[in-house]
Amino acid sequence: DTEVTQTPKHLVMGMTNKKSLKCEQHMGHRAMYWYKQKAKKPPELMFVYSYEKLSINESVPSRFSPECPNSSLLNLHLHALQPEDSALYLCASSQVSGGAYEQYFGPGTRLTVT
Amino acid sequence: LAKTTQPISMDSYEGQEVNITCSHNNIATNDYITWYQQFPSQGPRFIIQGYKTKVTNEVASLFIPADRKSSTLSLPRVSLSDTAVYYCLVGDTRDTGNQFYFGTGTSLTVIP
Repeated sequence: DTEVTQTPKHLVMGMTNKKSLKCEQHMGHRAMYWYKQKAKKPPELMFVYSYEKLSINESVPSRFSPECPNSSLLNLHLHALQPEDSALYLCASSQVSGGAYEQYFGPGTRLTVT
Repeated sequence: LAKTTQPISMDSYEGQEVNITCSHNNIATNDYITWYQQFPSQGPRFIIQGYKTKVTNEVASLFIPADRKSSTLSLPRVSLSDTAVYYCLVGDTRDTGNQFYFGTGTSLTVIP
């Protein structure tokens, strides 16, 4: 199974809401990633988890809070977002952490902040 | 950090060979070059990876000159289904919190 699943597919939330994005993989990968992608732009790396430990935090605002409950699951908790946070949020995994390893991406969650 | 640049867009007729270049002037000794394909509203998908010279798989070839400051993704005989955005990424195998970046992306349109 080489699939990365993400839920929900679409999410609309107000600026005062709290919501979570979920990601799951069953490939035995020990690295998982969150990316943010705006329209017509490349994916921007937000967080990297390596062996369930946060190893990169690309100066992401604290209103985004990642969590890795176990090696197969990755969450992104959202709170007090701004309209400019509307984007496609992509989850990916790879065998281990590092830009040289093939990353498997999920289909993404399309987030709209109103 | 090996940031990358690519042409913004390219058009090609069906059946032609397409070459997309990526510039990575600051590539480090341990960096590999990886190319991804992305369709609208989907996550990127791995196409090919290389370190130097030439790599070929069932869908593409990757050419990397000796200085490794650029790379060229070659798609033979493109079809309409190859219309997508193509990204190069430069990164190494270290698990030390090193950063890596997708290139600016090249939007390829295949014309019938």
